[in-house]
Amino acid sequence: GAGVSQSPRYKVAKRGQDVALRCDPISGHVSLFWYQQALGQGPEFLTYFQNEAQLDKSGLPSDRFFAERPEGSVSTLKIQRTQQEDSAVYLCASSSRGWGAGAQTQYFGPGTRLLVL
Amino acid sequence: SQQGEEDPQALSIQEGENATMNCSYKTSINNLQWYRQNSGRGLVHLILIRSNEREKHSGRLRVTLDTSKKSSSLLITASRAADTASYFCATAKPGAGGTSYGKLTFGQGTILTVHP
Repeated sequence: GAGVSQSPRYKVAKRGQDVALRCDPISGHVSLFWYQQALGQGPEFLTYFQNEAQLDKSGLPSDRFFAERPEGSVSTLKIQRTQQEDSAVYLCASSSRGWGAGAQTQYFGPGTRLLVL
Repeated sequence: SQQGEEDPQALSIQEGENATMNCSYKTSINNLQWYRQNSGRGLVHLILIRSNEREKHSGRLRVTLDTSKKSSSLLITASRAADTASYFCATAKPGAGGTSYGKLTFGQGTILTVHP
């Protein structure tokens, strides 16, 4: 079946603009994660949803970052008043198992590369 | 913050040779996973090893885990040019009752180049 998809694949924003990044997880997957990957670094956790509930948002770097998954499927990561330090690849991952259910494999999308000028 | 450190940061080998990458981490874990990332593509899951396992195989991949040393290694045997990629280890913390939180903490990765 289809994997995790993300759109747009590339986004250029002027500093101060708002952006919205979309993630379509694998159908039926309960868990959805957002990660941020800076150039040359490993991904860093941003936030986690189990169905429509946001259970962990400890990795969001500031209150300019907001994520939602209103119907428990598609998720949107919104960044308000973008700054240059927000430039990174934003990765979405989904998993069939819920939080605390045991070891789980996460399936990653191709990412959205955000460049803030 | 990054949980683990990969070693080496970069590795260059000839096709057919074996490649070994190491990962160290700091806190107790439920499981450790290895992922591969090709240039311009997302992360692909390679293998998962639980904290009560010591070794696991999948095709040309062999992973070991030493929880007393908080370290893991990934061995790729008979490497191919197509194995050229960045390799990341990622750990999941233990939750209550032997469960695992899904949140992964990644290392900084090893860049592997396999020359034909």
